[in-house]
Parts: sequence; C-alpha cells; structure tokens
Amino acid sequence: EAGVVQSPRYKIIEKKQPVAFWCNPISGHNTLYWYRQNLGQGPELLIRYENEEAVDDSQLPKDRFSAERLKGVDSTLKIQPAELGDSAVYLCASSFGMLTDTQYFGPGTRLTVL
Amino acid sequence: GENVEQHPSTLSVQEGDSAVIKCTYSDSASNYFPWYKQELGKGPQLIIDIRSNVGEKKDQRIAVTLNKTAKHFSLHITETQPEDSAVYFCAASRPRDSNYQLIWGAGTKLIIKP
Repeated sequence: EAGVVQSPRYKIIEKKQPVAFWCNPISGHNTLYWYRQNLGQGPELLIRYENEEAVDDSQLPKDRFSAERLKGVDSTLKIQPAELGDSAVYLCASSFGMLTDTQYFGPGTRLTVL
Repeated sequence: GENVEQHPSTLSVQEGDSAVIKCTYSDSASNYFPWYKQELGKGPQLIIDIRSNVGEKKDQRIAVTLNKTAKHFSLHITETQPEDSAVYFCAASRPRDSNYQLIWGAGTKLIIKP
C-alpha cells in the first residue's frame, strides 16, 4: 500500500514568489493535516481537513497561506508571497478518522526561501 | 493551552544500553500520548502510543510509561541498536473536540555509539 505522497521534495525560491505543495493521502483516509516543521523543532499544525472541510485552520497565516482539498482526497498548500521566515519542511499527514488514530506522514517538502 | 516539554534534547548512549526520553505536559485533560521517530529526510513515524487509561505499554524493545498525576510520560528503549539513531518526538492531545490537535515536544536526538 502506498504511503502519503508529497511533491516536490525540495523547492528553492526567492522571496515574494509563490509556491505550492501537493499531497496525496493514503487511500481511504478522511483526515488530512498540513504541518510546518522548523529546524530542530516538532511539527506545528497549519490546517486539518475532515474530508473536504477545513475543520481547524486557526494556525494558518491566512494573509499569505491558502489550502484546498477538493473532492476530499488530495490537497494543495500555497504560499503567496513567500517570506524568508517560511523556510521550513512542510509535512502532510493523513489518518483514517479521529485524531487519536495513527497519523501517517509523508516525506515532506523542504522549502528554502532566498 | 497545552504545552509539552521534552528532555533531553540530545542523548548519546552506547549500543546495547538503554535510552530514556521524558516529556511533561500541562493540560490535565490530555488523554492521548504518541511517540514518533523521525529519520533524516523522512516524515515522523509512530512507534508507540498510550492512552490515559493505562500506565504502561510495551512493544518489544520499546515501552512507554505514563504518570497522570505528575503529568509526565517517558519512552524507554532497551538493547539499543544503531538503527535506533534518529530524532524522537513526544506529543499530547485532548479528547476529540472542535479545537483538539497534537501538541509536539521539541524532539530528542538519539545517538547510538558503536
């Protein structure tokens, strides 16, 4: 069974440019999470989807970040415009249902903003 | 809100010895405590979890203990092997409600010396 797929794996952009990350969760997983992980820190939740509904986006910087999960399957996270402080690893995870179900993580996208 | 503190930040042990990583949490309503292992260039992977209705859980060389009164939980790895080298994260969450999410510790880099 395929795991969580993310692309691209690495992205280098200049500040003020837009960037998008894509995630395909494990088949059948209703819950999808986007996390940001800074170097030497644990992941921080950006947004959580239950099917196609964003049920927790309280930590998503909405002035520059947006996300969508059309049809309740794969998801895209966008940053526009990117800032230097956005450099981090962006992780996507999915779970079958409740938060206390195991979250399965993708390999992440390492973003470098120059 | 919940706050999770993890110690030590780096742990170096001789191969074959045991390793212990400790976490404390602040929210007495938290009831789910997973441990994740993150290898370089990969997303976190669940290795063991415990719920607040039990005090200890074991899976081969890995065990987790929970002290609800003191609000701390620990990861124990026995007979450490080189492949145990990684960053380990603890996390905690409240019961499922509209604002729940996993709160992560800062991570412990475990180094297994040959």
